Amino acid sequence: DVKVTQSSRYLVKRTGEKVFLECVQDMDHENMFWYRQDPGLGLRLIYFSYDVKMKEKGDIPEGYSVSREKKERFSLILESASTNQTSMYLCATRTGEETQYFGPGTRLLVL
Amino acid sequence: ILNVEQSPQSLHVQEGDSTNFTCSFPSSNFYALHWYRWETAKSPEALFVMTLNGDEKKKGRISATLNTKEGYSYLYIKGSQPEDSATYLCAFRISGGYNKLIFGAGTRLAVHP
Repeated sequence: DVKVTQSSRYLVKRTGEKVFLECVQDMDHENMFWYRQDPGLGLRLIYFSYDVKMKEKGDIPEGYSVSREKKERFSLILESASTNQTSMYLCATRTGEETQYFGPGTRLLVL
Repeated sequence: ILNVEQSPQSLHVQEGDSTNFTCSFPSSNFYALHWYRWETAKSPEALFVMTLNGDEKKKGRISATLNTKEGYSYLYIKGSQPEDSATYLCAFRISGGYNKLIFGAGTRLAVHP
């Protein structure tokens, strides 16, 4: 079974802090994704990566950056957290197959 | 702007009822349609991926159909059980879209004993 883990289930940070959200997968998948989910909206793609050190902007990359130094780990970075980044963050992975495999999510509150 | 609409937004049914919900997506440049189930405090889990017009897929009591020409998919649950309570997400992948999925907002199903 594919396992996708995220470093925290819940996180509380202050405005202006630098925040790191970590995602680790154990199945050697090439593609990794970061989404955010807000009430009443579908999951929105922030960034994705199709290989180590490769990244592409998704639909809402502003205020975020990513890092993929190793194949199994994809980090989402909030350079200076703001209250409008309070959200549920989901990481996902994919091989050459179509299906995406999700982590359990990190609920981030920025005060 | 590509949009995926799901209806209804939420649904309450009694145990044993059959139910269905709809996902509407753009009918042009279709590549694939995904359905995921997301239970509270768990990871979203893939139910189906459909790629061909007229596709029908089934997993236990849950089934899905696909009409790419008119841009909709139905998810059916036969004889709902409390463990079916979850948010059901559909996601559309556009042809040439580098596996970017566009998600609907989901249908939240609550099955009452």
